[in-house]
Amino acid sequence: DAGVIQSPRHEVTEMGQEVTLRCKPISGHDYLFWYRQTMMRGLELLIYFNNNVPIDDSGMPEDRFSAKMPNASFSTLKIQPSEPRDSAVYFCASSLAHQAFFGQGTRLTVV
Amino acid sequence: QKEVEQNSGPLSVPEGAIASLNCTYSDRGSQSFFWYRQYSGKSPELIMSIYSNGDKEDGRFTAQLNKASQYVSLLIRDSQPSDSATYLCAVSRASKIIFGSGTRLSIRP
Repeated sequence: DAGVIQSPRHEVTEMGQEVTLRCKPISGHDYLFWYRQTMMRGLELLIYFNNNVPIDDSGMPEDRFSAKMPNASFSTLKIQPSEPRDSAVYFCASSLAHQAFFGQGTRLTVV
Repeated sequence: QKEVEQNSGPLSVPEGAIASLNCTYSDRGSQSFFWYRQYSGKSPELIMSIYSNGDKEDGRFTAQLNKASQYVSLLIRDSQPSDSATYLCAVSRASKIIFGSGTRLSIRP
């Protein structure tokens, strides 16, 4: 298996634009997590899904953030409109039996 | 109070010595505990998991769990320069996985 695949690896966008981050989890994993990592706040859990259903989105910072998982092999995290303070590395992770495996991350820069 | 707390470091340890990393957590209902290693510019990588009180050894790594004290630790024996990284403690309850902010470990020659 290729592991968790995220795209794009890097994204630079202007303030106010819509940003969509994509994730393909490891086949057979039943949980999918979205995290955001910054120097100041560390690795924050934004939202997680179980069998494609959102379980806890209490970490989503604002209504500007939304996440979907239309099927077991694909998830998106959308930010609309984006702001400079959204600049961070966004990680997707998938898990089976409580052990989470991370993708390579998307480094988002909002200018 | 943060859910998972770690000393941010940096922790500097001479090559060949034992590195000791500590973590405390606030939720007594936590069930699973993990240590991840993250090299600069890379994603976190799972290196140890522990689910019951006591010690668990894997090669040069030993994880220790004390649920009564809400304390998890990681010992790295015979520290190598390649162990220089940030170590993240993670705690899970009902499949929700929360991370500490990490401890930066530096192994000096």
